[in-house]
Amino acid sequence: QKEVEQDPGPLSVPEGAIVSLNCTYSNSAFQYFMWYRQYSRKGPELLMYTYSSGNKEDGRFTAQVDKSSKYISLFIRDSQPSDSATYLCAMSRNAGNNRKLIWGLGTSLAVNP
Amino acid sequence: DADVTQTPRNRITKTGKRIMLECSQTKGHDRMYWYRQDPGLGLQLIYYSFDVKDINKGEISDGYSVSRQAQAKFSLSLESAIPNQTALYFCATSAAGGRGNTGELFFGEGSRLTVL
Repeated sequence: QKEVEQDPGPLSVPEGAIVSLNCTYSNSAFQYFMWYRQYSRKGPELLMYTYSSGNKEDGRFTAQVDKSSKYISLFIRDSQPSDSATYLCAMSRNAGNNRKLIWGLGTSLAVNP
Repeated sequence: DADVTQTPRNRITKTGKRIMLECSQTKGHDRMYWYRQDPGLGLQLIYYSFDVKDINKGEISDGYSVSRQAQAKFSLSLESAIPNQTALYFCATSAAGGRGNTGELFFGEGSRLTVL
């Protein structure tokens, strides 16, 4: 079993839909959780960063962490065609420890006009 | 100009050839990384460097070597390329760790390598 599981999709939604992207993990020591967005033919870029359990909101994006269930989510409200990308979850035990960052495979999202 | 620049962006080569992928950055970061990305395998860390004199193997370093020529430059070499090294390669940088630092990775646009 992989340490982080992420459904690769593809996920296709109409413009304006609420999108839910999810990752599950097995290591209860993970405390820092990230979502990176990767556009086609580009490198990933950090979208959301959260510590421990709870919610974090940034504009149309909300990151949610449920450590008891070992489950993290990224919600996109009022989705736009410009949100079409691959979304990668990543997590680690320690802050800023990219040597031990564990990545999901990414979920491909298409938002149709 | 991009903060993290990779060259070449695309390269097709033959088995057994030596290949170098170059990365330069203007972020002023000490930490630099090389990843490869494959469908079904995701991002895997090949090598990382926390300063010019510090080079470390990542999870999949076999068949690769690196050189940190300066704070801003980090190159990846395949001494004798093989077909299963066909992948998308990313260079990334981050600020040094510390309290309150997210360790955000800043990626280049990638170098697509095909080994025939």
